[in-house]
Order: sequence, then structure tokens, then C-alpha cells
Amino acid sequence: EVQLVESGGGLVQPGRSLRLSCTASGFTFGDYAMSWFRQAPGKGLEWVGFIRSKAYGGTTEYAASVKGRFTISRDDSKSIAYLQMNSLKTEDTAVYYCTRASGGWPSYYFDYWGQGTLVTVSS
Amino acid sequence: QSVLTQPPSVSAAPGQKVTISCSGSSSNIGNNYVSWYQQLPGTAPKLLIYENNKRPSGIPDRFSGSKSGTSATLGITGLQTGDEADYYCGTWDSSLSVWVFGGGTKLTVL
Repeated sequence: EVQLVESGGGLVQPGRSLRLSCTASGFTFGDYAMSWFRQAPGKGLEWVGFIRSKAYGGTTEYAASVKGRFTISRDDSKSIAYLQMNSLKTEDTAVYYCTRASGGWPSYYFDYWGQGTLVTVSS
Repeated sequence: QSVLTQPPSVSAAPGQKVTISCSGSSSNIGNNYVSWYQQLPGTAPKLLIYENNKRPSGIPDRFSGSKSGTSATLGITGLQTGDEADYYCGTWDSSLSVWVFGGGTKLTVL
């Protein structure tokens, strides 16, 4: 059974950093791209970024709203994807979801989602 | 303002059919596959439709997807109260180089 479990969320002050982890199981992690999404309270879904598999260079793409502040990485030996968030702003407050990306870029679709972890940016 | 346009809400009676539209442009829907996601209250989104019209295993055939030009449509037949949820369309935008979603459509089963 495919499972994605996010961790690392919490309350953080504006300007500080936080790292989220996504621990995967039930599939060959290294064969898939992984993506992060977020959802602000009462709002719709927003794509944050993704990281391709090593077979496709392990390269990353980011939404304009987080580019230069957020970094996605992966450790295939541990089946973990990371979202490093720096220079956090109050508008980054959201539930963050980790997903598995299937299909081929740019035609990814996101077939498994974690339960989400809440990040609150507030002083 | 979302790149993809969905109606904010739709409603229908149990057992009836509803469609949810998703309008975009040539840089997104017009040249890339569309997927649809269902988000039940208080839960994570779930993939309903991928590559315009394919259903993952476990998704009932009451759910269908189609695409024509720069628009996509999600259809749900035999509505059940358990279908009440927010529905999102999504695709890659080749001009913006970002994944884009519609603003979401809240389905109410009266």
C-alpha cells in the first residue's frame, strides 16, 4: 500500500526557516517524481513545486511565489522528500501536502497524497 | 485569480447528474493533459481523473472526464450525498512553467 507521511509542520515566526519531510512507503521511491502542494485556510489548492526522479536529473521546478525561498530535495536511500522553507512569510501559512507524481513531465498527475501538515507563520 | 476557471459551486439532487467545467487556454489545457481531484471536507485531495478521461483503480465509473480544445469537464452521475466535496481541475501551463489549478467547485447534493 502506498503511503506518504508528512512531518515537521508547526508554528514559526516570520523570517525563520522550517523543513518538512515526506516519508514514503509501498513503492519504489526513486522511480517517481515527488511534488508539494499547499492549501491556505479556507482557500484552494496551490502547487509549490516538484522534484524529478534521478533518472530525469533530479531537477526541480517551483511556483513563482516560493522560488528562491523554498527548496525541494530527496533522499532516495531513505525514501524521503524534503521541503526546505526559508524566509517564511505570513502568507505561507497553509496545510502542506506531499504527493507522488505519475505519468511523464509535463503531464504529471498526482495519484497519492499525504495527510498534510500544518505550517503556521506568525509572530 | 486562478489560471483555470471553474464555477464556484454546483448542486443537484441525489441520483441526478452534474457537470463541472474547467476553462483554460492553449498554454495549459489546450496542450496538456488535465487531471481532476476530489477533496472531501477535512481530508486530503484524491485523484479522480487523469490524462483527461482515465480513472484510477477504485474510482467508480460514475465519474468521467473529457476535454475539448481549451476546456475540460468532469461529469458525475448517480449523485450521492457522499459526493459532496470540492473538486479541482489541474494541468501544466507551458508558458508559465507552473502547475495550475482551477479555483475549485463546491458540489452540494441537495
